[in-house]
Order: sequence, then structure tokens, then C-alpha cells
Amino acid sequence: QVQLQESGPGLVKPSQTLSLTCTVSGGSISNGGYYWSWIRQHPGKGLEWIGYIYYSGNTYYNPSLKSRVTISVDTSNNQFSLRLTSVTAADTAMYYCARTGIASRSYFGMDVWGQGTTVTVSS
Amino acid sequence: EIVLTQSPGTLSLSPGERATLSCRASQSVGSTYLAWYQQKPGQAPRLLIYAASSRATGIPDRFSGSKSGADFTLTISSLEPEDFGLYYCQQYGDSPLTFGGGTKVEIK
Repeated sequence: QVQLQESGPGLVKPSQTLSLTCTVSGGSISNGGYYWSWIRQHPGKGLEWIGYIYYSGNTYYNPSLKSRVTISVDTSNNQFSLRLTSVTAADTAMYYCARTGIASRSYFGMDVWGQGTTVTVSS
Repeated sequence: EIVLTQSPGTLSLSPGERATLSCRASQSVGSTYLAWYQQKPGQAPRLLIYAASSRATGIPDRFSGSKSGADFTLTISSLEPEDFGLYYCQQYGDSPLTFGGGTKVEIK
């Protein structure tokens, strides 16, 4: 079955760029029918959607983060990535990637999640 | 932005009891666009319900979802020990996609 795995530095300095990659296994990111999401969870808090991407490259971002976020896809390596610029301590969180089922007038939820990766912003 | 308000914040119940979790949207959300997730400590969320009432693959039938007006409800008919944890609702009806603040189901 499809599995997702996040990877990237666990520690990022303030003002620098956070970069994470989600590797998809057990299925092709190019199959269509799914968007590929990034979600974060601040320590002890709820879930915040960051954005998602379709295999074609179409992206949708949370307006609260849009000025700092870029999500990209690498279909040849079956991966998608997150870049978050100008990070501060407020970006310290667990970051998850998730497969998201979206079709015309239908939403099927985030049905496959990575295990998450903790990112700490500190000097 | 659509705000989802979940209640109660904490639900203290015993195994075998019925759990009723509520999610109220600040604006209209179509039933097609509401999902529920379960999260246990140290784990990623798990999709339980999508389109307000459709169970995700492998989810036991003791979990059910419904919609009444602006309110969405997740019901666990008879709590099993493994059902204790945090539950989140999520909407897709309007951008940005948002989650509720969560309801903790704890063992009484």
C-alpha cells in the first residue's frame, strides 16, 4: 500500500529556510486523483494545513503562510517537497505529509499520512 | 476562513459507552467536504470519516458521522480501549482547508 516518509533537517536557524521532502512509496504520485499535502502541528496544539500540490504542479497554499511557502513535486523520484522561508520559533512544529483525495465536488480526506518529522527553529 | 468549533473539549467515558463529538462550522460546509480524524499520542492522524458520513477503509462500523444543519457529529457507538485519543474535524469547503481544535476522549 502507499506509504509516505518525511525527511529533512530537524534543526533550522531563525531566518533560514526550512526544507522537507516527502517520499511516496507503493504507488505513483503521478497517478492522479490525489493531491499531496503538507500539514503541521505545533507542540501540544492542533493541526494546520500548509498547502498541497497536484502531480501536474498546481499548488494551493494557506493564505497565512503563502508568502513564505513553496511546495514542489518531483515525479521522477516520486517525491514532493516543502520550502518555508524566513523561519522563526513559531515555525517549530511536527510536519506531516499526507495524500489528499480531491475530485470535482468531492473530498475524500487525507487518507495516508507520513509519520511526521519534528522541526525545531533555534540558533 | 471557516472556523470549526469542536465540543466538548474533553469527553470522559468508560469502555462500552457511547461517545458523541460535535463540530460546528462558522459558515456553511457541504456534507461532501467534512472529514474526521483520530490521533493518538506520538502518531499521525488517521482518517475515520469523509464526506461527513462515509467510513474510510478499515474503519470499524462503531464509528459513524452525520450532519444536521451547521453541526456535524461523530459517534462512537461503544467505546473500545483503543478509541481513546484526540479527534479532529476538518473542512474542505472553503480555502483554506481548516481543522477544528479537537476533542479529547479519555478513559473515565
